[in-house]
Amino acid sequence: NAGVTQTPKFRVLKTGQSMTLLCAQDMNHEYMYWYRQDPGMGLRLIHYSVGEGTTAKGEVPDGYNVSRLKKQNFLLGLESAAPSQTSVYFCASSWNGMADTQYFGPGTRLTVL
Amino acid sequence: GDSVTQMEGPVTLSEEAFLTINCTYTATGYPSLFWYVQYPGEGLQLLLKATKADDKGSNKGFEATYRKETTSFHLEKGSVQVSDSAVYFCALIQTGANNLFFGTGTRLTVIP
Repeated sequence: NAGVTQTPKFRVLKTGQSMTLLCAQDMNHEYMYWYRQDPGMGLRLIHYSVGEGTTAKGEVPDGYNVSRLKKQNFLLGLESAAPSQTSVYFCASSWNGMADTQYFGPGTRLTVL
Repeated sequence: GDSVTQMEGPVTLSEEAFLTINCTYTATGYPSLFWYVQYPGEGLQLLLKATKADDKGSNKGFEATYRKETTSFHLEKGSVQVSDSAVYFCALIQTGANNLFFGTGTRLTVIP
């Protein structure tokens, strides 16, 4: 039982490049989330999903897209990376909504030069 | 809007010392309150939570009481261990809302 896993763990991009972050969970959770964590700030919600095939915007969605084609996977895409997107990205999942216990992955550290 | 304010760190304590990490919140109504902990190199994990006023959440020797009158949810532990070294996040969510608001985190280091 791996819980929530994220791929890759580290990545360096140049401005304008694109990439996809993969999140996978093996707990059969309906809800999945993408957060970013920046120095001196709390985690902020980028996008979330309430079930397979659904996505919704969070607090800071601009510059990101997401897809939830399979229940266990939640992908975060950056179409044209910018230095402001340098951050640590966390994926999380929960069984029964955002107020339910969220289980987090180990994070992806992304640097955009 | 809703927000959470945590005491600034870092906090350094000796083993077996008493720990308090302050958390106050701004929100209408009766949000649910949480403490999440992030150990080095890992993702966050739920430490404890409280869903209504005067509730006390507890886990692993940590406690926090939901104080509506002071809009606070301070984290306490009577005797910290080296293994408690981590970053602690206070968070809140309104009933039915779609955003969990996190504080900025407080880094705790416990030295032997």
